[in-house]
Amino acid sequence: EVQLVQSGAEVKKPGESLKISCTASGYTFTTYWIGWVRQMPGKGLEWMGIIHPVDSDTRYSPSFEGQVSISADTSATTAYLQWSSLKASDTAIYYCARLIDLRFDFWGQGTLITVSS
Amino acid sequence: EIVMTQSPATLSVSPGERATLSCRASQTLNTNLAWYQQKPGQPPRLLIYGASTRATGIPARFTGSGSWTEFTLTISSLQSEDFAVYFCQQYNNWPLTFGGGTKVEIK
Repeated sequence: EVQLVQSGAEVKKPGESLKISCTASGYTFTTYWIGWVRQMPGKGLEWMGIIHPVDSDTRYSPSFEGQVSISADTSATTAYLQWSSLKASDTAIYYCARLIDLRFDFWGQGTLITVSS
Repeated sequence: EIVMTQSPATLSVSPGERATLSCRASQTLNTNLAWYQQKPGQPPRLLIYGASTRATGIPARFTGSGSWTEFTLTISSLQSEDFAVYFCQQYNNWPLTFGGGTKVEIK
């Protein structure tokens, strides 16, 4: 059974750094791209970027390029989303999802990030 | 960037009735379009890909159609579990983009 299990909710202050994780199981991690999607409170879905674990080939949405960093550790079958300096506007739920042919076929449960002073 | 426009924003439907959701793309997609369902507190779930192919385990009452720039998701007879928000997503061009969503609510 394919599963993507994300790290738990975080409460951070503006300016702090953060790295959240998405651990995959039930399939060959190196075969599929993994992506990250943001959902701000009460809003729609925004694609942030994707990574292929084999060679860490990464593609970012222009809206998120330079704002976040995506990485993967094949030995841990885990993908990561990282911020160096959080802003209040980063408050959202962040989902990881597996991609097949650039559509998202399996999703993690989501990680709620709250950034507040 | 391809802009995806969904309509209506909210659709009020009685159980057992048909629901028709629209998704329009600002550029042609061929059939590289997916539909997702999201219920409160849950992640999205893939319903349809390739504009018309149901994902594994998706009931036959969900039908996707369309091509190029105009796409439709039809739910033939709404069940209680179908009241949710539906998003379309294009995967024909970078960056991948989603529509703003249609909320299907009980009338």
